[in-house]
Amino acid sequence: DIQMTQSPSSLSASVGDRVTITCRSSMTISNYLNWYQQKPGKAPKLLIYTASTLQSGVPSRFSGSGSGTYFTLTITSLQPEDFATYYCQQSYINWTFGQGTKVEFK
Amino acid sequence: EVQLVESGGGLVLPGGSLRLSCAASGFSFSGYWMHWVRQAPGKGLVWVSRINHDATGTIYADSVKGRFTISRDNAENTVHLQMTSLRAEDAAVYYCARGGSGYSLDVWGQGTTVIVSS
Repeated sequence: DIQMTQSPSSLSASVGDRVTITCRSSMTISNYLNWYQQKPGKAPKLLIYTASTLQSGVPSRFSGSGSGTYFTLTITSLQPEDFATYYCQQSYINWTFGQGTKVEFK
Repeated sequence: EVQLVESGGGLVLPGGSLRLSCAASGFSFSGYWMHWVRQAPGKGLVWVSRINHDATGTIYADSVKGRFTISRDNAENTVHLQMTSLRAEDAAVYYCARGGSGYSLDVWGQGTTVIVSS
C-alpha cells in the first residue's frame, strides 16, 4: 500500500499569512495527488486534483504543486474561512489519505 | 444541484450487520464511479471501497475486505455498502463520494454515523 505523510500535523497562522503544507508518498505517484479541505462536522471538499488543477469554484489563493513523491499545497493569503483541516490523497493505486494538517488561528 | 445523501447509519452490536445507502441526484449517476470513505471520531479520512460505473468492478480496503460489499442500482441512482461482522473499529462517519477527474473524489455526501457497541 502507498503511504502518505503530511507535514506539519498542525500549524498556527494569522489572517493574511502564506501557508504551505507538504505531502510525501512512499512511492512515486506521478501527479495523482488530490487535496481536500474539511471543516468540523462537515464533509470534505475537493480543492485541487492531479497535483495542481484547481477544482471549479475554489479560490485562486489555493495552489498545488509537485510530482513523483513530493507535493505542496499553498494558501497565499489565509482567510478566516480557511481555518480547517487539509488532507492530501493519492489516487495512483487505489486511494490513500494523509493524516491531515490542522490549520489553526494564531 | 449535484447532491449525495447517505442513510442507514445507526447503533449495531459487535458482529452485527448494517446496510448504508447513498442517493444521488443532479447528475448522470450511471456515468460515474462511486466511493465510500469513513472517518472515526477525531481521526482522519480512510478510503473504504469503490465501485465502477456499471458495477463490474469493485475494490476494497484491506481492513474491510471480505466483510463489506459495495453495490449500486443505476436505475435508482443509489449506491449501497453492506457491512457485516462489524467491529468496534468500524465505528465512524461514513461518506459516499463521486469519482471525479484524476480519480479524485469531487462530490461528497453529508455522512451517516455508524456506532458499534454492546
